[in-house]
Amino acid sequence: GQQVMQIPQYQHVQEGEDFTTYCNSSTTLSNIQWYKQRPGGHPVFLIQLVKSGEVKKQKRLTFQFGEAKKNSSLHITATQTTDVGTYFCAVSDNYGQNFVFGPGTRLSVLP
Amino acid sequence: DSGVTQTPKHLITATGQRVTLRCSPRSGDLSVYWYQQSLDQGLQFLIQYYNGEERAKGNILERFSAQQFPDLHSELNLSSLELGDSALYFCASSVAPGGGGDTQYFGPGTRLTVL
Repeated sequence: GQQVMQIPQYQHVQEGEDFTTYCNSSTTLSNIQWYKQRPGGHPVFLIQLVKSGEVKKQKRLTFQFGEAKKNSSLHITATQTTDVGTYFCAVSDNYGQNFVFGPGTRLSVLP
Repeated sequence: DSGVTQTPKHLITATGQRVTLRCSPRSGDLSVYWYQQSLDQGLQFLIQYYNGEERAKGNILERFSAQQFPDLHSELNLSSLELGDSALYFCASSVAPGGGGDTQYFGPGTRLTVL
């Protein structure tokens, strides 16, 4: 089956520091999505990447899809306490027959 | 508020029992997905329905079953419950059948505790 890995598992940063989480797949992906889950909350869709090498930005968040479409990254510049939560990548095949969430990266931001 | 509703919010039951979790998708969404999230764990995809038909199956136990009704709401039935079934169960919905990156909108979840 499809394998999706995320690193790191946990990340503790001081407020104002940058943060990056990586998502790696064992197979070439048609697309990748990123979700954020706040403590005690539910996952919330952040963005979808489709094209090889694609880079998208949302304010302090930068998302990148690898050239080979096997990996992706989420970078947060100058973290804030509101960034606390778990960031998941999610992948599916073209037919939606195999939808997999990565194990997530839990981000803690110390004020 | 994602527009997806789930009931009940909390459920406490005993081993061996059977429970039903309910999900109403966002207005206009035809797909419903079910996920299990154990404490401090990731999201395990269980099953997906699209317009009343089973579309994709993940790591769903035989003791679990689901269905989507003509009004598009869905129910997840968990039977012969075990302690290890204690988890947060999320429902998500999307417009399309899935694949090709259909955005999923998650409900608030049902927290199941099996004693």
